[in-house]
Amino acid sequence: DSGVTQTPKHLITATGQRVTLRCSPRSGDLSVYWYQQSLDQGLQFLIQYYNGEERAKGNILERFSAQQFPDLHSELNLSSLELGDSALYFCASSVGGSSGNEQFFGPGTRLTVL
Amino acid sequence: ILNVEQSPQSLHVQEGDSTNFTCSFPSSNFYALHWYRWETAKSPEALFVMTLNGDEKKKGRISATLNTKEGYSYLYIKGSQPEDSATYLCAFIGGGYQKVTFGTGTKLQVIP
Repeated sequence: DSGVTQTPKHLITATGQRVTLRCSPRSGDLSVYWYQQSLDQGLQFLIQYYNGEERAKGNILERFSAQQFPDLHSELNLSSLELGDSALYFCASSVGGSSGNEQFFGPGTRLTVL
Repeated sequence: ILNVEQSPQSLHVQEGDSTNFTCSFPSSNFYALHWYRWETAKSPEALFVMTLNGDEKKKGRISATLNTKEGYSYLYIKGSQPEDSATYLCAFIGGGYQKVTFGTGTKLQVIP
C-alpha cells in the first residue's frame, strides 16, 4: 500500500458525460501527478500540481482539467467523454515539486466509456 | 514528442539467471530518470530515481546505471527469481518543463 488513495475504483459512463476522479496523496506529500494508461498508448503523463499550483503539463486534452485543493487532494475532471477516453487513470504523489522526486502511485481508477 | 525506448520488449529467463535491459532517452535536457517495477493488476512501484551522469543505484539484487551523455540507462537483475516477473518501466524527465515521458516497458518472465 503506497498511501495514495484514489476513488472511485471503477467508473462506467456514457459518451458525452462528465466525470470526476479523486486522489488523496500520501501524508506530507505536496505534489500530485495524473497519468493515463490506455491500451494503445501506454502510460502517459497528464499534469502535475504542487501545493495547489499547476507545475507541469503533459498530454492533457482540453476536455480534461485538474485542480489541487488546500487539503492537497486533487481531482481530475473529464468532460464530453469519448470512447477513446476509456483507460486506467493513476495518480501519484511525491514530497517535493520536482519530477525528480520518488513518486508513489495510487491503485488507479478504471474508466469505461460506453 | 520525446523518444524513450526500452529493449527488449519482453524477456524470458530461467530462475537464477542474471539479466539486464536498456532504457534509451534523449541526451539533451536531461533532468532525471525513474525506474519502476509494475506487476500485473497492480500500480507502478518506484525502484530508482537517477539524476547524475555515472549514477549507480542498488536495491538488493537489482541495480541500475546511468549515462546521460549518451542517453541510456541499464537495469540489472542478479539471480532472477519468479517474483521478479513484472514489467520494468523507465520514465525520462526532461525536455523542459519537467515533463515525464515513459518508455514502453520490458516485460520480464522468470521461469522456475
